[in-house]
Amino acid sequence: EIVLTQSPATLSLSPGERATLSCGASQSVSSSYLAWYQQKPGLAPRLLIYDASSRATGIPDRFSGSGSGTDFILTISRLEPEDFAVYYCQQYGSSPPYSFGQGTKLEIK
Amino acid sequence: QVQLVESGGGVVQPGRSLRLSCAASGFTFSSYGMHWVRQAPGKGLEWVAVIWYDGSNKYYADSVKGRFTISRDNSKNTLYLQMNSLRAEDTAVYYCARELLVVPGARLGYWGQGTLVTVSS
Repeated sequence: EIVLTQSPATLSLSPGERATLSCGASQSVSSSYLAWYQQKPGLAPRLLIYDASSRATGIPDRFSGSGSGTDFILTISRLEPEDFAVYYCQQYGSSPPYSFGQGTKLEIK
Repeated sequence: QVQLVESGGGVVQPGRSLRLSCAASGFTFSSYGMHWVRQAPGKGLEWVAVIWYDGSNKYYADSVKGRFTISRDNSKNTLYLQMNSLRAEDTAVYYCARELLVVPGARLGYWGQGTLVTVSS
Protein backbone atom coordinates (compact mmCIF):
# COMPACT_ATOMS: atom_id res chain seq x y z
CA GLU A 1 0.00 0.00 0.00
CA ILE A 2 1.28 3.45 -0.92
CA VAL A 3 1.60 5.84 2.02
CA LEU A 4 1.13 9.55 1.28
CA THR A 5 2.76 12.17 3.52
CA GLN A 6 1.59 15.76 3.27
CA SER A 7 3.58 18.78 4.39
CA PRO A 8 3.31 21.03 6.14
CA ALA A 9 0.59 19.88 8.53
CA THR A 10 -0.52 23.49 8.94
CA LEU A 11 0.21 26.44 6.68
CA SER A 12 -0.49 29.98 7.89
CA LEU A 13 -0.76 32.57 5.12
CA SER A 14 -2.59 35.78 4.30
CA PRO A 15 -5.09 36.40 1.49
CA GLY A 16 -3.27 37.32 -1.68
CA GLU A 17 -0.22 35.18 -0.87
CA ARG A 18 0.89 32.05 -2.72
CA ALA A 19 0.38 28.64 -1.12
CA THR A 20 2.49 25.57 -1.87
CA LEU A 21 1.32 22.23 -0.46
CA SER A 22 3.37 19.04 -0.82
CA CYS A 23 2.43 15.38 -1.04
CA GLY A 24 5.10 12.69 -0.97
CA ALA A 25 4.48 9.06 -1.80
CA SER A 26 6.27 6.03 -0.31
CA GLN A 27 6.58 4.59 -3.82
CA SER A 28 6.03 5.87 -7.30
CA VAL A 29 2.43 6.70 -8.20
CA SER A 30 1.85 5.13 -11.56
CA SER A 31 0.55 7.28 -14.40
CA SER A 32 0.56 10.27 -12.01
CA TYR A 33 -2.81 9.11 -10.73
CA LEU A 34 -2.94 11.60 -7.91
CA ALA A 35 -5.80 13.88 -6.88
CA TRP A 36 -6.22 16.85 -4.57
CA TYR A 37 -9.36 17.62 -2.56
CA GLN A 38 -10.48 20.61 -0.53
CA GLN A 39 -12.65 20.16 2.55
CA LYS A 40 -14.37 22.85 4.59
CA PRO A 41 -15.82 22.20 8.06
CA GLY A 42 -19.02 20.18 8.01
CA LEU A 43 -18.90 19.62 4.27
CA ALA A 44 -17.92 16.79 1.98
CA PRO A 45 -14.58 16.99 0.18
CA ARG A 46 -14.46 18.63 -3.24
CA LEU A 47 -12.25 17.40 -6.06
CA LEU A 48 -9.83 20.11 -7.21
CA ILE A 49 -7.16 18.37 -9.28
CA TYR A 50 -6.94 14.88 -10.79
CA ASP A 51 -4.25 13.04 -12.73
CA ALA A 52 -1.77 15.31 -10.91
CA SER A 53 -2.43 18.41 -13.00
CA SER A 54 -5.94 18.43 -14.49
CA ARG A 55 -8.38 20.87 -12.91
CA ALA A 56 -11.86 19.58 -12.20
CA THR A 57 -14.81 21.41 -13.72
CA GLY A 58 -15.51 24.76 -12.10
CA ILE A 59 -12.21 24.97 -10.21
CA PRO A 60 -10.58 28.42 -10.53
CA ASP A 61 -7.31 28.59 -12.41
CA ARG A 62 -5.48 29.89 -9.35
CA PHE A 63 -5.37 26.19 -8.34
CA SER A 64 -2.74 24.13 -10.10
CA GLY A 65 -1.15 20.74 -9.58
CA SER A 66 2.21 19.39 -10.62
CA GLY A 67 4.58 16.53 -10.02
CA SER A 68 5.16 12.91 -10.87
CA GLY A 69 6.65 9.77 -9.39
CA THR A 70 6.77 10.32 -5.64
CA ASP A 71 6.56 14.11 -5.33
CA PHE A 72 3.48 16.21 -5.99
CA ILE A 73 2.58 19.85 -5.39
CA LEU A 74 -0.67 21.78 -5.13
CA THR A 75 -0.21 25.51 -5.72
CA ILE A 76 -2.75 28.22 -5.03
CA SER A 77 -1.36 31.24 -6.81
CA ARG A 78 -3.17 33.99 -4.93
CA LEU A 79 -5.20 33.04 -1.88
CA GLU A 80 -8.80 34.10 -1.64
CA PRO A 81 -10.66 34.10 1.72
CA GLU A 82 -12.68 31.04 0.64
CA ASP A 83 -9.51 28.99 0.05
CA PHE A 84 -8.76 28.52 3.74
CA ALA A 85 -9.63 24.89 4.38
CA VAL A 86 -8.06 21.43 4.71
CA TYR A 87 -6.47 19.89 1.63
CA TYR A 88 -5.94 16.17 1.01
CA CYS A 89 -4.00 14.32 -1.64
CA GLN A 90 -5.07 10.84 -2.76
CA GLN A 91 -3.43 8.25 -4.99
CA TYR A 92 -5.24 5.82 -7.26
CA GLY A 93 -2.36 4.67 -9.41
CA SER A 94 -1.98 1.18 -8.06
CA SER A 95 -4.52 -1.47 -7.33
CA PRO A 96 -6.67 -0.79 -4.30
CA PRO A 97 -6.44 0.02 -1.47
CA TYR A 98 -6.34 3.66 -2.42
CA SER A 99 -4.89 6.06 0.11
CA PHE A 100 -5.23 9.63 1.27
CA GLY A 101 -2.63 11.86 2.84
CA GLN A 102 -3.23 13.07 6.38
CA GLY A 103 -4.16 16.55 5.19
CA THR A 104 -2.76 20.08 5.28
CA LYS A 105 -4.73 22.75 7.11
CA LEU A 106 -4.45 26.10 5.37
CA GLU A 107 -5.27 28.80 7.90
CA ILE A 108 -5.44 32.55 7.84
CA LYS A 109 -2.39 34.26 9.31
CA GLN B 1 -27.42 17.30 -11.69
CA VAL B 2 -25.54 14.52 -9.90
CA GLN B 3 -26.98 13.78 -6.50
CA LEU B 4 -25.84 11.24 -3.92
CA VAL B 5 -27.83 10.84 -0.71
CA GLU B 6 -26.60 8.55 2.05
CA SER B 7 -28.84 7.06 4.73
CA GLY B 8 -28.78 4.37 7.37
CA GLY B 9 -26.36 5.85 9.86
CA GLY B 10 -26.99 5.92 13.58
CA VAL B 11 -25.83 4.64 16.95
CA VAL B 12 -25.04 0.93 17.16
CA GLN B 13 -23.46 -1.26 19.81
CA PRO B 14 -20.06 -2.88 19.27
CA GLY B 15 -20.34 -6.19 17.49
CA ARG B 16 -23.64 -5.33 15.83
CA SER B 17 -24.40 -4.65 12.17
CA LEU B 18 -25.60 -1.71 10.11
CA ARG B 19 -26.35 -1.20 6.43
CA LEU B 20 -25.75 2.12 4.73
CA SER B 21 -27.44 3.13 1.49
CA CYS B 22 -26.56 5.75 -1.09
CA ALA B 23 -29.32 6.79 -3.50
CA ALA B 24 -27.97 8.15 -6.77
CA SER B 25 -29.69 10.36 -9.31
CA GLY B 26 -28.90 12.71 -12.17
CA PHE B 27 -26.60 10.33 -14.04
CA THR B 28 -26.41 6.82 -15.48
CA PHE B 29 -25.58 4.98 -12.26
CA SER B 30 -24.67 1.72 -13.99
CA SER B 31 -21.80 3.39 -15.87
CA TYR B 32 -19.66 4.49 -12.92
CA GLY B 33 -17.52 2.96 -10.24
CA MET B 34 -18.61 3.88 -6.74
CA HIS B 35 -16.73 4.23 -3.46
CA TRP B 36 -17.23 4.57 0.25
CA VAL B 37 -14.89 6.93 2.15
CA ARG B 38 -15.06 7.60 5.87
CA GLN B 39 -13.86 10.28 8.26
CA ALA B 40 -13.57 9.73 11.99
CA PRO B 41 -14.42 12.76 14.13
CA GLY B 42 -11.69 15.37 13.82
CA LYS B 43 -9.58 13.08 11.63
CA GLY B 44 -8.64 12.76 7.97
CA LEU B 45 -10.20 10.87 5.11
CA GLU B 46 -9.94 7.08 4.89
CA TRP B 47 -10.83 5.18 1.73
CA VAL B 48 -13.07 2.20 2.60
CA ALA B 49 -14.21 0.30 -0.50
CA VAL B 50 -14.85 0.43 -4.25
CA ILE B 51 -17.21 -1.46 -6.53
CA TRP B 52 -16.88 -1.56 -10.30
CA TYR B 53 -19.67 -0.10 -12.44
CA ASP B 54 -21.15 -3.55 -13.04
CA GLY B 55 -20.41 -4.99 -9.61
CA SER B 56 -17.83 -7.38 -11.06
CA ASN B 57 -14.99 -6.28 -8.79
CA LYS B 58 -14.87 -5.10 -5.21
CA TYR B 59 -11.93 -4.01 -3.10
CA TYR B 60 -11.60 -3.03 0.54
CA ALA B 61 -9.30 -1.28 2.95
CA ASP B 62 -7.46 -3.72 5.21
CA SER B 63 -9.19 -2.15 8.22
CA VAL B 64 -12.63 -3.36 7.06
CA LYS B 65 -11.83 -6.43 4.97
CA GLY B 66 -13.88 -9.43 6.05
CA ARG B 67 -16.34 -7.27 8.01
CA PHE B 68 -17.76 -4.83 5.44
CA THR B 69 -19.38 -5.66 2.09
CA ILE B 70 -19.98 -3.16 -0.69
CA SER B 71 -22.74 -3.86 -3.20
CA ARG B 72 -24.95 -2.08 -5.68
CA ASP B 73 -28.35 -2.46 -7.31
CA ASN B 74 -28.16 -0.81 -10.70
CA SER B 75 -31.91 -1.26 -11.20
CA LYS B 76 -32.53 0.88 -8.11
CA ASN B 77 -29.61 3.31 -8.60
CA THR B 78 -28.43 2.50 -5.11
CA LEU B 79 -25.08 1.71 -3.49
CA TYR B 80 -24.83 -0.18 -0.21
CA LEU B 81 -22.33 -0.82 2.55
CA GLN B 82 -23.11 -3.74 4.86
CA MET B 83 -21.09 -3.30 8.04
CA ASN B 84 -20.79 -6.27 10.40
CA SER B 85 -18.87 -6.80 13.64
CA LEU B 86 -18.69 -3.06 14.19
CA ARG B 87 -15.99 -1.63 16.43
CA ALA B 88 -15.58 1.69 18.19
CA GLU B 89 -12.92 2.65 15.64
CA ASP B 90 -15.52 2.40 12.86
CA THR B 91 -17.18 5.53 14.26
CA ALA B 92 -17.10 8.05 11.42
CA VAL B 93 -19.01 10.00 8.84
CA TYR B 94 -19.40 7.70 5.85
CA TYR B 95 -19.48 9.29 2.40
CA CYS B 96 -20.41 7.65 -0.86
CA ALA B 97 -18.58 9.02 -3.87
CA ARG B 98 -18.81 8.61 -7.64
CA GLU B 99 -15.86 8.37 -9.93
CA LEU B 100 -15.45 11.43 -12.08
CA LEU B 101 -15.13 9.60 -15.38
CA VAL B 102 -16.63 6.54 -17.02
CA VAL B 103 -13.04 5.42 -17.56
CA PRO B 104 -12.15 3.56 -14.34
CA GLY B 105 -10.07 5.40 -11.78
CA ALA B 106 -10.72 6.66 -8.28
CA ARG B 107 -11.00 10.31 -9.20
CA LEU B 108 -13.81 11.03 -6.75
CA GLY B 109 -15.65 13.79 -8.51
CA TYR B 110 -19.00 13.69 -6.69
CA TRP B 111 -19.73 13.14 -3.02
CA GLY B 112 -22.79 12.71 -0.88
CA GLN B 113 -23.37 14.73 2.29
CA GLY B 114 -22.32 11.83 4.51
CA THR B 115 -24.05 9.79 7.20
CA LEU B 116 -22.73 9.47 10.76
CA VAL B 117 -22.16 6.04 12.26
CA THR B 118 -21.45 5.90 15.98
CA VAL B 119 -20.39 2.63 17.52
CA SER B 120 -20.86 2.78 21.26
CA SER B 121 -22.31 0.76 24.10
